[in-house]
Amino acid sequence: GAGVSQSPRYKVAKRGQDVALRCDPISGHVSLFWYQQALGQGPEFLTYFQNEAQLDKSGLPSDRFFAERPEGSVSTLKIQRTQQEDSAVYLCASSRDGEQPQHFGDGTRLSIL
Amino acid sequence: QQQVKQSPQSLIVQKGGISIINCAYENTAFDYFPWYQQFPGKGPALLIAIRPDVSEKKEGRFTISFNKSAKQFSLHIMDSQPGDSATYFCAASIGAAGNKLTFGGGTRVLVKP
Repeated sequence: GAGVSQSPRYKVAKRGQDVALRCDPISGHVSLFWYQQALGQGPEFLTYFQNEAQLDKSGLPSDRFFAERPEGSVSTLKIQRTQQEDSAVYLCASSRDGEQPQHFGDGTRLSIL
Repeated sequence: QQQVKQSPQSLIVQKGGISIINCAYENTAFDYFPWYQQFPGKGPALLIAIRPDVSEKKEGRFTISFNKSAKQFSLHIMDSQPGDSATYFCAASIGAAGNKLTFGGGTRVLVKP
């Protein structure tokens, strides 16, 4: 596809459930980022991949958050035992080679009831 | 610790007027400063970016002014149009343009016809 694709666009889960969010970066893009955007706030960095290697996970808020990119393309962000404070828009971004600006997907809006 | 502070939180401008958004940063290691535009339900899209070796950069109706000594930078939107109504985020990163971004809190701009 032409841009970064994220699915699902909307996800509603009950507190305590596990969720998985998918990101399809632009084809050939080496770098992949996940950000969390709370309502009315700027995105906050969660984690970064270069190909399949997770080089920075300093932004993950707890060990309930886990991200992977096993083949260096599609990435999944998994949140276990969801809490209400996990409600946010989760944005994925990719960059061709790390030197080029990031392109963002439209995000997954996660609501925890 | 909020490393990039953005103001105002919102502003209303008449069509044809100038919108001015300001950001201040703390980390002197930041050396790439992009501005993103975000419409409701969409991901952030890169508008314009600057590095500290220049004091001003203009692209069409959008201008970034940069003051390295004050650790401040601003976005000016000239001849504002209703289609410019969106949320604008300043951001900063260290090194390459594709490195992880630290965002400001955002400014919601409404351009009245």
